[in-house]
Amino acid sequence: GAGVSQSPRYKVAKRGQDVALRCDPISGHVSLFWYQQALGQGPEFLTYFQNEAQLDKSGLPSDRFFAERPEGSVSTLKIQRTQQEDSAVYLCASSLGGRGTGGSYEQYFGPGTRLTVT
Amino acid sequence: DQQVKQNSPSLSVQEGRISILNCDYTNSMFDYFLWYKKYPAEGPTFLISISSIKDKNEDGRFTVFLNKSAKHLSLHIVPSQPGDSAVYFCAAIPGSGTYKYIFGTGTRLKVLA
Repeated sequence: GAGVSQSPRYKVAKRGQDVALRCDPISGHVSLFWYQQALGQGPEFLTYFQNEAQLDKSGLPSDRFFAERPEGSVSTLKIQRTQQEDSAVYLCASSLGGRGTGGSYEQYFGPGTRLTVT
Repeated sequence: DQQVKQNSPSLSVQEGRISILNCDYTNSMFDYFLWYKKYPAEGPTFLISISSIKDKNEDGRFTVFLNKSAKHLSLHIVPSQPGDSAVYFCAAIPGSGTYKYIFGTGTRLKVLA
């Protein structure tokens, strides 16, 4: 079946613009994660959803970042008033189960959205 | 502070030989560890994992070793193949109650034909 898809693959935004990044997880996957990956670094956790519930948003760097997954499938990461330091690759991952559900911890990643703020 | 460290940014190995990628961690509460492989312009792909109650897990050419007393994790690839050339990330999950996977900074492996 289809893997995790993300759109757009590339986004250039002027400083101060709002952007919305979309993630389509694998169908039936309970857990969905967003990560930010700066150049030369590993992915850094932003937020976690179990179905439609956002159970952890402790990694969101500021209140300009907002994520939602209203129907427990597609998720959107929104960044308001983008700044240059927001330039990074944003990765989405899904997994079949979640903590406490007895499921696997194996995550399936999408290809990422490369955001460049000029 | 970096709770999961991959101190070697790069590694070159001859085809057919063993590749050993290392990972150190500081938090003794981590209870699950994973290795991912990443090709350019793609997302990371899961390779192998290990629970903190084990010290070894093997899957084909890939073996992960966990030394809890040293807070050290390693991935062995035998034999190495040119297609293994990629960036490898180790990741750790703290104890129950959190969903925050913590990744290292990655090691770029180059397997020379």
